[in-house]
Amino acid sequence: DGGITQSPKYLFRKEGQNVTLSCEQNLNHDAMYWYRQDPGQGLRLIYYSQIVNDFQKGDIAEGYSVSREKKESFPLTVTSAQKNPTAFYLCASSIPAPYGYTFGSGTRLTVV
Amino acid sequence: QKEVEQDPGPLSVPEGAIVSLNCTYSNSAFQYFMWYRQYSRKGPELLMYTYSSGNKEDGRFTAQVDKSSKYISLFIRDSQPSDSATYLCAMSEAGGYQKVTFGIGTKLQVIP
Repeated sequence: DGGITQSPKYLFRKEGQNVTLSCEQNLNHDAMYWYRQDPGQGLRLIYYSQIVNDFQKGDIAEGYSVSREKKESFPLTVTSAQKNPTAFYLCASSIPAPYGYTFGSGTRLTVV
Repeated sequence: QKEVEQDPGPLSVPEGAIVSLNCTYSNSAFQYFMWYRQYSRKGPELLMYTYSSGNKEDGRFTAQVDKSSKYISLFIRDSQPSDSATYLCAMSEAGGYQKVTFGIGTKLQVIP
């Protein structure tokens, strides 16, 4: 079945450590996205990529980095520069509108 | 003022009730309108999408867009306990890979 796989589902890290969240899709979608979801704030766009080897900052890119070396993969690194990294992270992919996004099942990151 | 406003709820209804979920927006350039359903600890899944004004029906779900009032609605008929989830409205300005703006979501509980 086609879809988006995010791993791991839960991730715990110590403060000051970098951590990388995995996102893989087999939908043959060109565009991929990373969102952060916090209670009461909805979904906020971190980074997005429309083609391989190219990506753009979203609304809250500070403290995060991404790469897009393959069409299927769009990993997100949460760096130690991110002030409040504990959140639910969602990866998505899409084809051009009017179709919406297909989301993964998310990674819950807790920094202690 | 946020671009998209959505009452976070929670909204509790008895099984079989008609549910009305709403969003207002301020950006008159929005043309594509979507509704997502998100179960607890899962990624959102696309329920319906519409272009411009009008109604769209899919089974028990009806999406309505009133661009003159900058108001969109999702109606759920004969609500079921399995409809208990958070419903997010989303919208974008144009086709292609335009940025999608999400509401914060309304939490719905359908009581058996």
